[in-house]
Amino acid sequence: EAGVTQFPSHSVIEKGQTVTLRCDPISGHDNLYWYRRVMGKEIKFLLHFVKESKQDESGMPNNRFLAERTGGTYSTLKVQPAELEDSGVYFCASSRLAERNEQFFGPGTRLTVL
Amino acid sequence: AQSVTQPDIHITVSEGASLELRCNYSYGATPYLFWYVQSPGQGLQLLLKYFSGDTLVQGIKGFEAEFKRSQSSFNLRKPSVHWSDAAEYFCAVGRYSGGGADGLTFGKGTHLIIQP
Repeated sequence: EAGVTQFPSHSVIEKGQTVTLRCDPISGHDNLYWYRRVMGKEIKFLLHFVKESKQDESGMPNNRFLAERTGGTYSTLKVQPAELEDSGVYFCASSRLAERNEQFFGPGTRLTVL
Repeated sequence: AQSVTQPDIHITVSEGASLELRCNYSYGATPYLFWYVQSPGQGLQLLLKYFSGDTLVQGIKGFEAEFKRSQSSFNLRKPSVHWSDAAEYFCAVGRYSGGGADGLTFGKGTHLIIQP
């Protein structure tokens, strides 16, 4: 069984540009989560999809961040326009609907905004 | 709001020695507790979890953790560390609501350094 995959693994962009991160969850996992770790800080929850619906987006920092999960499969997280403070590692995780809280994490996307 | 504290940013242990990583949480009800490990270039891997029942939980790679409600702690232990255990360890707390499993709240992580 393939794990959670994320693309790209690294992204370096300039302030004001747009970046789109992609996450492919484990097949059959209806729950999908995005997290972010800013350097020196803890990993913070951003949002949670159940299938294609946003269950909880209380962790999204502002309206420059847009997450989608069309068709309930892969998800994208777009940052537009990117700011310096958006730099960090963005993790995606997925879990089965019936298995509470056992989240499987991807390797993360390291985003650097210059 | 729930929170997790890992008081040790770095810990250095000799290979073969025992290990204990500390974790304290703040949560209004019985939490779901987790320990994850991240090796360089890898995603977070679940070591073990506690939902209910026996307060001593066994995990993968020889790790165990003990839930102590009175101390709001969930410390991770290993009797004898190996050089391959060098990594960053995260304690996390979660909850389950009617809509599904919620996002986890993580501690800041503890870097484990293994001395030969």
